[in-house]
Amino acid sequence: NAGVTQTPKFRVLKTGQSMTLLCAQDMNHEYMYWYRQDPGMGLRLIHYSVGEGTTAKGEVPDGYNVSRLKKQNFLLGLESAAPSQTSVYFCASTIGQSSYNEQFFGPGTRLTVL
Amino acid sequence: SQQGEEDPQALSIQEGENATMNCSYKTSINNLQWYRQNSGRGLVHLILIRSNEREKHSGRLRVTLDTSKKSSSLLITASRAADTASYFCATATINNNAGNMLTFGGGTRLMVKP
Repeated sequence: NAGVTQTPKFRVLKTGQSMTLLCAQDMNHEYMYWYRQDPGMGLRLIHYSVGEGTTAKGEVPDGYNVSRLKKQNFLLGLESAAPSQTSVYFCASTIGQSSYNEQFFGPGTRLTVL
Repeated sequence: SQQGEEDPQALSIQEGENATMNCSYKTSINNLQWYRQNSGRGLVHLILIRSNEREKHSGRLRVTLDTSKKSSSLLITASRAADTASYFCATATINNNAGNMLTFGGGTRLMVKP
């Protein structure tokens, strides 16, 4: 049971380039989330998904797009990267709608935009 | 916006001492969760306390919740060098679409010296 995995672990982009971050979970969780973590700050929610084929905006969605074509995968896309998107990105999942469920986090992707 | 704010931002103690971290929040919550993050890693869930609970224990962890003051504390007793990490509180509010919506504070960086 791998839990939540993220690829890649590190990436360096130039301004204007695009990339996709992949999150995969093998726990059959319905809900998945993408967060970003900036130095000295907590995590901020970018986008989330409550099931296959659904996505919704979080607190800081601008500049990002997401897709959930398969239940186990949640993709985060940057169409035109900006230096302000330099951050560590975390994916998380949880089993369902109950508010008493913990979220399980991946190890993170460290992205630098030059 | 950050719902939870941790205090202190950084804490340095000797092994064997107790560590206390505090979290304050602004709006009504369904539950409050504490997570731990080792350097360069994802977050790991430690403990969840519901809004109708006042205290909860898990091993060397003790969490209290005072909803009238909108505050929580995490106590780690008999600390070990391996407890060195950042600790985040996350408040959970009900969202009909997203289930367990977590809002994270900025974290407390704990260093336990051997």
